[in-house]
Amino acid sequence: AQSVAQPEDQVNVAEGNPLTVKCTYSVSGNPYLFWYVQYPNRGLQFLLKYITGDNLVKGSYGFEAEFNKSQTSFHLKKPSALVSDSALYFCAVRDGVNSGYALNFGKGTSLLVTP
Amino acid sequence: KAGVTQTPRYLIKTRGQQVTLSCSPISGHRSVSWYQQTPGQGLQFLFEYFSETQRNKGNFPGRFSGRQFSNSRSEMNVSTLELGDSALYLCASSFSGAQIDPLHFGNGTRLTVT
Repeated sequence: AQSVAQPEDQVNVAEGNPLTVKCTYSVSGNPYLFWYVQYPNRGLQFLLKYITGDNLVKGSYGFEAEFNKSQTSFHLKKPSALVSDSALYFCAVRDGVNSGYALNFGKGTSLLVTP
Repeated sequence: KAGVTQTPRYLIKTRGQQVTLSCSPISGHRSVSWYQQTPGQGLQFLFEYFSETQRNKGNFPGRFSGRQFSNSRSEMNVSTLELGDSALYLCASSFSGAQIDPLHFGNGTRLTVT
């Protein structure tokens, strides 16, 4: 079985400070990992993915994520937060060996960036 | 390039009725997936279609069904609506339907069952 955990319901950060949104995963095979962002009354927007290779993945809007196999983590980061980054963030995983096509999402983390 | 289009954006239905939601994927995308989003259960996978064939189905009752047409457009149907079916229904498409492909989501259809 595959699963994703986002341990924080909410993350608060001041504008200009670095931000981290945490994600851990559990899969039987190789993980395919994704981060999405959702703004109010909108669908999910794809930010970045990890399939294989370099553990540091860069994505849209200045976001990046670090894959750590030993800690089974895939934390989302940004060096300098913007107020406009305030949104709901979802981590998702597919098991590259055992699962079908479904994306398994975490519960989401609400990011609030204050001026 | 136009994104994923879902219609209608909002629906209000009564218990026992049925509803059909529509999704037009990004041009050229052959895979369409459907997800249900609720505050309590989060994002849950309903089903995925590729070239008009259902490849995967989530753990939902048979009241939930879908189909994909030859132009990749998709519909999902919910029969005998229950209050618990109130949710945001999200459609997503991808180009090749491969596991490494990210999904591109529409803005969803907000279904309210009264």
